[in-house]
Amino acid sequence: QVLLVQSGAEVKKPGASVKVSCKVSGYTLFDFSMHWVRQGPGKGLEWMGSFGPEDGETINEKEFQGRLTLTADTSTDTVYMQLSRLRSEDTAVYYCGSPRSDGSLEFWGQGTTVIVSS
Amino acid sequence: DFQLTQSPSSLSASVGDRVAITCRASHSISSYLNWYQQQPGKAPKLLIYAASRLQSGVPSRFSGNGAGTDFTLTISSLQPEDFATYYCQQSYSVPFTFGPGTKVDVK
Repeated sequence: QVLLVQSGAEVKKPGASVKVSCKVSGYTLFDFSMHWVRQGPGKGLEWMGSFGPEDGETINEKEFQGRLTLTADTSTDTVYMQLSRLRSEDTAVYYCGSPRSDGSLEFWGQGTTVIVSS
Repeated sequence: DFQLTQSPSSLSASVGDRVAITCRASHSISSYLNWYQQQPGKAPKLLIYAASRLQSGVPSRFSGNGAGTDFTLTISSLQPEDFATYYCQQSYSVPFTFGPGTKVDVK
């Protein structure tokens, strides 16, 4: 049974950074990549990027222009999403998702709410 | 980037109705088209991958078809638990964009 468990909600001030974790169980992270998707309040889904053992980091540069960093710690089967220079528009629920080989997201974390407010 | 549009943006239906949602890509994405269902406050759930393949555990009333730029998700007989928002996603080229969503609510 694959399970993705994300870290808890965060409240940050504009200009700060946030780091969200996603711990994997049920498979070995080393062989698989992880995608990140976010959803603003009342909005649709936005693909942020992915991290994988072969391709490394792939970022949606048009939307995140150097603010997004994706990393993984294979010793703890945990992946991380760090978003810097936060602004109010970054207020959203952030999800990690484990892809199939065709890129569809088969398993999802429960979501982490990030609120950016002064 | 590959843009996706969905129609309709919302629809009202009754239990037992046949429902169809379309997704159109700005350029050909072969069969790299996926469908998700999202209930309020929950993570999305994969329904269909590779345009027409039913994800394990998903009821057979859900089906998908299409290739290239035009795709359809069909629910053959709408059930109470199917009232939700549905998103298509292309996994042909990064960034793996999502459609804007189609909300299915009770008539």
